[in-house]
Amino acid sequence: AAGVIQSPRHLIKEKRETATLKCYPIPRHDTVYWYQQGPGQDPQFLISFYEKMQSDKGSIPDRFSAQQFSDYHSELNMSSLELGDSALYFCASSAGAQARTFGSGTRLTVV
Amino acid sequence: GQSLEQPSEVTAVEGAIVQINCTYQTSGFYGLSWYQQHDGGAPTFLSYNALDGLEETGRFSSFLSRSDSYGYLLLQELQMKDSASYFCAAMDSNYQLIWGAGTKLIIKP
Repeated sequence: AAGVIQSPRHLIKEKRETATLKCYPIPRHDTVYWYQQGPGQDPQFLISFYEKMQSDKGSIPDRFSAQQFSDYHSELNMSSLELGDSALYFCASSAGAQARTFGSGTRLTVV
Repeated sequence: GQSLEQPSEVTAVEGAIVQINCTYQTSGFYGLSWYQQHDGGAPTFLSYNALDGLEETGRFSSFLSRSDSYGYLLLQELQMKDSASYFCAAMDSNYQLIWGAGTKLIIKP
């Protein structure tokens, strides 16, 4: 069965650079979520999209933005990267609200 | 505020049974989810309880008591591969998941 696909798996950026993370949700899933997870932390909700429209916003910094495209893939754009942005970034998708399927994540390291 | 409380770490022996408790306080409540996450891996959905009672899925069961704002995940016949972090997450009135801090399950042979 198709899963949530994220790319890249690993990314190393320098401070003040920009990064773009991509997510391809499970087909026919209507909602996409982005999460940030630091070491030993629970996933922190960043932003979500329902049918390509932003549906909710969590603790997403102003330096970050996201969108969902006509083909349902989503991108998280991160600018002016800081050391503290180093984390695992997960995309998840769901059909309905209960069960969210997570992608394998992108490990971002800012140096 | 909204919060979920779960133990930070639980240790059990292979083949045994372990229960991970979770209490929640949220603005509105639709249900309680459980996710498993291995180190460096993605959270994997285990269960969702919207109604009071026990839901069983193989070796894993999840329980919810809405009147007590309490739930638990029960893992039976523990295997070494069950060593992971387990998160409870409550769905609030905005359909947002409020996550607990996670319980690290350590299984000893």
